[in-house]
Amino acid sequence: DIQMTQSPSSLSASVGDRVTITCRASQGISTYLSWFQQKPGKAPKSLIYAASTLQSGVPSRFSGSGSGTDFTLTISSLQPEDFATYYCQQYNAYPRTFGPGTKVDI
Amino acid sequence: QVQMVESGGGVVQPGGSLRLSCAASEFIVSRCGMHWVRQAPGKGLEWVAFIRYDGNSKYYGDSVKGRFTISKDTSKKTLYLQMSSLRPEDTAIYYCAKDTPFFDPQGNIDSWGQGTLVTVSS
Repeated sequence: DIQMTQSPSSLSASVGDRVTITCRASQGISTYLSWFQQKPGKAPKSLIYAASTLQSGVPSRFSGSGSGTDFTLTISSLQPEDFATYYCQQYNAYPRTFGPGTKVDI
Repeated sequence: QVQMVESGGGVVQPGGSLRLSCAASEFIVSRCGMHWVRQAPGKGLEWVAFIRYDGNSKYYGDSVKGRFTISKDTSKKTLYLQMSSLRPEDTAIYYCAKDTPFFDPQGNIDSWGQGTLVTVSS
């Protein structure tokens, strides 16, 4: 199985900060990587697929990059509604494993 | 907005069975691969199972293999998860999620339902 790791596990930031989250796969997955956002008590929301393509309606302050085993999610200017937990997921192979999540709080 | 609505959650004793349902549109059930993903209280997301858009392939996570069965009924526009031999560690919110349609080369998850809570406890 492909193992996914994320760093950091949590971070504290302020409105307007630039935030970067890292996701690493245990083997190469090309660009078959998605990012999801989840707020407390809510279902996850799809943000990015193919490592760098924004889902429709996702603000342009979100961006993704990477290929192979190393990926990043960047929020260029953190907004109050961005405080949430972020998960990466590989869809190169089954089982489709998720990273453990990165909690972004104030 | 894409709508998928889960139901069937509840409290069940260890060793018991439960069937979850996810109601969606005919387009989704017939043309998109669909997943079950769960989240234990205070924990992260765990991928559980997948069924291909045509029903010809199914995949399961190691923790549920042999105990859970994913299926769908296109005529009823519904995805199912039959869960048996339930354990306390199966306690979680269960979400259904859909992939992009079969003709999309990416095949990534793009929409989620709101989830249904399953509690395994005596």
